[in-house]
Amino acid sequence: GQQVMQIPQYQHVQEGEDFTRYCNSSTTLSNTQWYKQRPGGHPVFLIQLVKSGEVKKQKRLTFQFGEAKKNSSLHITATQTTDVGTYFCDTQGGSEKLVFGKGTKLTVNP
Amino acid sequence: DTAVSQTPKYLVTQMGNDKSIKCEQNLGHDTMYWYKQDSKKFLKIMFSYNNKELIINETVPNRFSPKSPDKAHLNLHINSLELGDSAVYFCASSRGLAGGRYNEQFFGPGTRLTVL
Repeated sequence: GQQVMQIPQYQHVQEGEDFTRYCNSSTTLSNTQWYKQRPGGHPVFLIQLVKSGEVKKQKRLTFQFGEAKKNSSLHITATQTTDVGTYFCDTQGGSEKLVFGKGTKLTVNP
Repeated sequence: DTAVSQTPKYLVTQMGNDKSIKCEQNLGHDTMYWYKQDSKKFLKIMFSYNNKELIINETVPNRFSPKSPDKAHLNLHINSLELGDSAVYFCASSRGLAGGRYNEQFFGPGTRLTVL
């Protein structure tokens, strides 16, 4: 079955540093979505990637879908304390199943 | 105006009891979901309904039964609660499937269930 691995699971950065998170799938994906969950909160939609090689930006956040549509990445430039939270990728593969990864918990030291 | 609401927000109960969590969305969405998030923050889908029809039914104990009286509501009933059921349960909704593809999901605030 479709498996989603998110790298890394925990990430501690100093404020101002960059942060990158990868989401790798064992199968080719039809699309992937990214969500952010603040501590004590609920997941909030960030972006959806559908096309091979697609790159989308939201201010300091850059999302990319791999050419083979088997992985995606989230890159945050110059992290701020407001970036703290758990980032999830939600993928839909050939089986059309929805799979959320375990998420990456990001902490930012001021 | 809360888009996706869940009640109750907190639920503390004894093992063996039966409990329900309610979810309502006022976004006019066709698809609703239930997720379970454990203490390690692993978010796992349990069920999904599209236009009141069950479309995702993951491997969960049959003690868990979803009920969708209409498109705006998806309730979760749990029988014979066990310690391992303790988790945060999130309801979510989205527009209907587009060419087999799931759309952006809007999550409720979550229900923290503690089984003693």
